[in-house]
Amino acid sequence: DVKVTQSSRYLVKRTGEKVFLECVQDMDHENMFWYRQDPGLGLRLIYFSYDVKMKEKGDIPEGYSVSREKKERFSLILESASTNQTSMYLCAITPGGSYNEQFFGPGTRLTVL
Amino acid sequence: AQSVTQLDSQVPVFEEAPVELRCNYSSSVSVYLFWYVQYPNQGLQLLLKYLSGSTLVKGINGFEAEFNKSQTSFHLRKPSVHISDTAEYFCAVSDLAGNQFYFGTGTSLTVIP
Repeated sequence: DVKVTQSSRYLVKRTGEKVFLECVQDMDHENMFWYRQDPGLGLRLIYFSYDVKMKEKGDIPEGYSVSREKKERFSLILESASTNQTSMYLCAITPGGSYNEQFFGPGTRLTVL
Repeated sequence: AQSVTQLDSQVPVFEEAPVELRCNYSSSVSVYLFWYVQYPNQGLQLLLKYLSGSTLVKGINGFEAEFNKSQTSFHLRKPSVHISDTAEYFCAVSDLAGNQFYFGTGTSLTVIP
């Protein structure tokens, strides 16, 4: 079974704080993605990565950065959190091979006060 | 690039009634098509997918979807819904390499007892 875990289910931070959201997969999959989900807007792609130390901007990268030092871990970083970054953050992987779909983690609901 | 339109943001339906959730997509290349379900405060789970072959696809929990290439649609149906089907449903497309996924804005299905 493909398993994707995220470091926190709920997180509350203050404006201006640096925030790290971690995503870990349990197998040697290459493609990893970070989305944010907001009501009425669906899922919007922030960043994705096809391999270690590789990253590509998605549709809404502003205010975010990512890090992928090891294949199994893909981190989303909010350099200076703002209230408009309050959202649900979802990590996903695309295993490839016989799998064509994305597998999602449980999500992190971030509130920035 | 691809895009996905989910025509209904909210669908209320009585228990044991049939339901159809509509999805249209646009793409200049061949795509794979997916429906995902999201229960409250959880990640997305795959309901079903269309890759090729028969245009009628059956998924989990009694759901099915029909791919219509001429109308560029992939509507989701269930002949008799249950309370437990109350959730958010997302339609998605990907290119054949699975490198990019595009999601609709979601349809909130509420099953009324």
